Amino acid sequence: DVKVTQSSRYLVKRTGEKVFLECVQDMDHENMFWYRQDPGLGLRLIYFSYDVKMKEKGDIPEGYSVSREKKERFSLILESASTNQTSMYLCASSPAPYHNSPLHFGNGTRLTVT
Amino acid sequence: GQQVMQIPQYQHVQEGEDFTTYCNSSTTLSNIQWYKQRPGGHPVFLIQLVKSGEVKKQKRLTFQFGEAKKNSSLHITATQTTDVGTYFCAVTSSNTGKLIFGQGTTLQVKP
Repeated sequence: DVKVTQSSRYLVKRTGEKVFLECVQDMDHENMFWYRQDPGLGLRLIYFSYDVKMKEKGDIPEGYSVSREKKERFSLILESASTNQTSMYLCASSPAPYHNSPLHFGNGTRLTVT
Repeated sequence: GQQVMQIPQYQHVQEGEDFTTYCNSSTTLSNIQWYKQRPGGHPVFLIQLVKSGEVKKQKRLTFQFGEAKKNSSLHITATQTTDVGTYFCAVTSSNTGKLIFGQGTTLQVKP
């Protein structure tokens, strides 16, 4: 079974802090994704990566960056956290090709920025 | 950009009643995926539909892809309390190739 592990289940940070959200998958998947989930808005794609050191912007990349130095790990970085980034963050992975492969999600990180 | 509309946003049913959620797109879709998210959980992949008019069943769940490949439905027969959760459709954007999620339909089942 695919396992996608997010480092923290709950996180509380202060405005202006640099925040790192870590995600690791154990199935050698090429593709990894970061989504945020907000009530009434569904899941919105922040960034995704289809290979090591490759990244592409999703629909809402502003205020975020990502890093993929190893195939199994995809990090989401909030350069300077703001209160409007309080949300549930979901990491996912999938095998290639990404446009028709099912996503496997982690348990999510609920981030609160105060 | 491409959007997908999912309706209804919420549905409350009595246990044993049927439930249907719909996913609609203005453009032709290459495929559609369905996910279920239990309260407090993460989305879990249910199924993918690819062919025009395709119908797939998983026990009490029936998934249908429209003939024109612009819409899809998920129907649950005789709901149970274990069906509670939010059901999302997800489609591949014809412009970007990225997966776009609908807003989800949250199902509540009264025992």
